[in-house]
Amino acid sequence: DSGVTQTPKHLITATGQRVTLRCSPRSGDLSVYWYQQSLDQGLQFLIQYYNGEERAKGNILERFSAQQFPDLHSELNLSSLELGDSALYFCASSSSGGGSTDTQYFGPGTRLTVL
Amino acid sequence: AQSVAQPEDQVNVAEGNPLTVKCTYSVSGNPYLFWYVQYPNRGLQFLLKYITGDNLVKGSYGFEAEFNKSQTSFHLKKPSALVSDSALYFCAVIPDTGGFKTIFGAGTRLFVKA
Repeated sequence: DSGVTQTPKHLITATGQRVTLRCSPRSGDLSVYWYQQSLDQGLQFLIQYYNGEERAKGNILERFSAQQFPDLHSELNLSSLELGDSALYFCASSSSGGGSTDTQYFGPGTRLTVL
Repeated sequence: AQSVAQPEDQVNVAEGNPLTVKCTYSVSGNPYLFWYVQYPNRGLQFLLKYITGDNLVKGSYGFEAEFNKSQTSFHLKKPSALVSDSALYFCAVIPDTGGFKTIFGAGTRLFVKA
């Protein structure tokens, strides 16, 4: 158990809908990262927050947004969902600002299915 | 473009035999290299990382990896495979040229047969 929690575990929704995925980092970790894992794209970095502020942005679509709250938990919002958004979404956390030496600890993931 | 390649989709090995999972990278500047393992229906678990210093890095569960700068490789090894090592293995790199994006390889599935 990494100490990173994600809810919900599974989410099934329809195209065009909006969903929110939630992540709680390990106690004391200030950085939260979001990743998308799909069969065709592999593991893709979406975005990182550090202590409430956006730190780095990857291949995140404009339909997706995230934020980190004062208690350091994070939410990933996915809107206008398409079939291709079906994937596993992972959250990871690390203790500091995500410098090159920072180890990331991954949550169990949220499996999103868009029908 | 900066990238990580895991040239084998799958590696098969018999229990008790040594295993190697290959990883090569292409980044500007110095790389910081990581190996993660993913078991079915679980998140990724950190195995080991190379930042600087000794080219041979030892990690969790008896795994080790060797950084080879001239070959731009960071292969994962274990002297004696266990059936329980069967999983999906990811190599990842963070370039030291600024930015914080982790680049993951496509993953290699390891099957260890009893």
